[in-house]
Amino acid sequence: ETGVTQSPTHLIKTRGQQVTLRCSSQSGHNTVSWYQQALGQGPQFIFQYYREEENGRGNFPPRFSGLQFPNYSSELNVNALELDDSALYLCASSPDGSNTEAFFGQGTRLTVV
Amino acid sequence: DQQVKQNSPSLSVQEGRISILNCDYTNSMFDYFLWYKKYPAEGPTFLISISSIKDKNEDGRFTVFLNKSAKHLSLHIVPSQPGDSAVYFCAASGNFGNEKLTFGTGTRLTIIP
Repeated sequence: ETGVTQSPTHLIKTRGQQVTLRCSSQSGHNTVSWYQQALGQGPQFIFQYYREEENGRGNFPPRFSGLQFPNYSSELNVNALELDDSALYLCASSPDGSNTEAFFGQGTRLTVV
Repeated sequence: DQQVKQNSPSLSVQEGRISILNCDYTNSMFDYFLWYKKYPAEGPTFLISISSIKDKNEDGRFTVFLNKSAKHLSLHIVPSQPGDSAVYFCAASGNFGNEKLTFGTGTRLTIIP
């Protein structure tokens, strides 16, 4: 067990709504990265937070935003949900901005209807 | 533009035999590579990694080989066990693991008893 937990595990939202996903990082890790995994695809990098600051962003629109708290847990917020946002959202925690020891949570399955 | 490619969507191997999973990359800035295993309804689990300063890394039944000139890596599992049945993702990073992870689309490995 990695110690990275995500909530909720499943979520159904309506197009146009907003959603917040949560992730608690592994003890000792100060970096959280978020990934979107569409069906049949590999995870796609959304952004990374390191010591409460955004530390890199992938090719996702501004309606995907995030936050990291002093205890290094993190939130992913998605506004104006679209049908294509339906995916598994994964968070990974790692030490010091690195990805050499990235441990993933079990993911949140978001369905937009 | 798929910078990390896993061209075999699926692979079936007899229990006890060797499983070989392949991965190709196009970005010459990638210098750190990881393999993850994913079971349904779980997040990816880290298996093994390799830095570009090496051409082989071994951990128990798992060995990763890196051919930098061909921009190719492979994961060997010997001997294959039924619990190895999962989807395997290859991931790549730059700056020795300090850049975001770029994933392939995965290979579903089925071990036949």
